[in-house]
Amino acid sequence: DAKTTQPPSMDCAEGRAANLPCNHSTISGNEYVYWYRQIHSQGPQYIIHGLKNNETNEMASLIITEDRKSSTLILPHATLRDTAVYYCIVRVDFGNEKLTFGTGTRLTIIP
Amino acid sequence: DSGVTQTPKHLITATGQRVTLRCSPRSGDLSVYWYQQSLDQGLQFLIQYYNGEERAKGNILERFSAQQFPDLHSELNLSSLELGDSALYFCASSVGLAGAYEQYFGPGTRLTVT
Repeated sequence: DAKTTQPPSMDCAEGRAANLPCNHSTISGNEYVYWYRQIHSQGPQYIIHGLKNNETNEMASLIITEDRKSSTLILPHATLRDTAVYYCIVRVDFGNEKLTFGTGTRLTIIP
Repeated sequence: DSGVTQTPKHLITATGQRVTLRCSPRSGDLSVYWYQQSLDQGLQFLIQYYNGEERAKGNILERFSAQQFPDLHSELNLSSLELGDSALYFCASSVGLAGAYEQYFGPGTRLTVT
């Protein structure tokens, strides 16, 4: 699996958009980009994933650069409940289904 | 609520003992994964089962073993416990293999070895 690089921590004001970057410069053509988050010591929660197109769901948007070497997770209107550790993970679609978690980005939403 | 259940929530035991952690996947999910989260190692993949068969192994110690039963629930057995085995153990499930299936995680079992 490709290695990812994320900033260790970020702050965002409540109500503003939180933009979390991820670098995955060695990503292969068959690897997806996944985002999960972990609130305190709860089980990680799936947020969104994508291959090459930008994706949006009810939780977030995922913007993947054209060369696929980096991506940004966008939480459009951050709330205090979005305070968590966010993990960017790249993973093939078949053959190695495990998730390899890095250290993630600790996002703190400031009231 | 992810639909994945884990029991027990908390477990306190002594060194040298053996414990069993249980996981029930979401309805319809055939694949079960076990992960360990400790303070110094972060979240690490241990083992995966798919429809009753072992599919992949990660950093799982020989003292640990797992199985998936015909009803698809899974158990993780930890034996000869050491202080360093104290951690959060998460189970996750996904519907299949091929394709970009997301994994849904349970609430975890917090194991404390004293």
